[in-house]
Amino acid sequence: GENVEQHPSTLSVQEGDSAVIKCTYSDSASNYFPWYKQELGKGPQLIIDIRSNVGEKKDQRIAVTLNKTAKHFSLHITETQPEDSAVYFCAASRGYGNKLVFGAGTILRVKS
Amino acid sequence: GAVVSQHPSRVICKSGTSVKIECRSLDFQATTMFWYRQFPKQSLMLMATSNEGSKATYEQGVEKDKFLINHASLTLSTLTVTSAHPEDSSFYICSADSATNEKLFFGSGTQLSVL
Repeated sequence: GENVEQHPSTLSVQEGDSAVIKCTYSDSASNYFPWYKQELGKGPQLIIDIRSNVGEKKDQRIAVTLNKTAKHFSLHITETQPEDSAVYFCAASRGYGNKLVFGAGTILRVKS
Repeated sequence: GAVVSQHPSRVICKSGTSVKIECRSLDFQATTMFWYRQFPKQSLMLMATSNEGSKATYEQGVEKDKFLINHASLTLSTLTVTSAHPEDSSFYICSADSATNEKLFFGSGTQLSVL
C-alpha cells in the first residue's frame, strides 16, 4: 500500500537558522502533499500544501518543494523561531475525497 | 474559515461504557470526514473514512462494531467507542475534507482515557 517516509525524526536548530524536513512517497498517483504542524495535545494544523502541477510554493518563512519524478517533497522553514517548535507531519493523497497517508513525524526544536 | 470543531476534548470513562465523539465542520460542508487515532509520540493512523449518507469504510484491523461511525449530515460525523477498554485509550482526531478548496482540516482531538 501507500507509504510515506519522513526524515529526520528529530531536528534541533538554533533560532534564526533554517530547518529542512524531507519526505518520500510510494504511490505515483498521489497528487496532493500537505504539511501539518502539531503541538502537544492538539490536532494537526495545516501550514502549507502543494499539488502535483507545481514544483515549489512559498508562504512567508515556509516553503515546500516537490519532485514528482523522484517522489520527494520537502518542507523548508527559514529564520526559525522558538514558536516553530512542534511536531511536523508530511502527508500524501490522491486528492479531494481520498485519505491522507502520513509520515512518521519530525520533532523540531528551535533553541533560543 | 475552515474550522473543524471536535468534542469533547477530553473524556475519562469506566471500562465497559460507550463514548461518543462529535466532529463538526463549522463553516463548510464536508461530504467526506476521516477518523484517526494517535498514540503518544506516534503518527496518525487512519481508522475509517466516513461519507455522508453511506456506511463508513474501515481500515484493515479496525473493528467496525467497536468503533461506530455515523455521518448523518454534511457538517457532522460521530465516532462511538462501544464497550471501551483500557487499550482503547488514545488520542482520537477527526478531519473534514473541504470541497471549497480541496484541503483537509483537522479537529482539536479527543483524549480518551478508559479506567
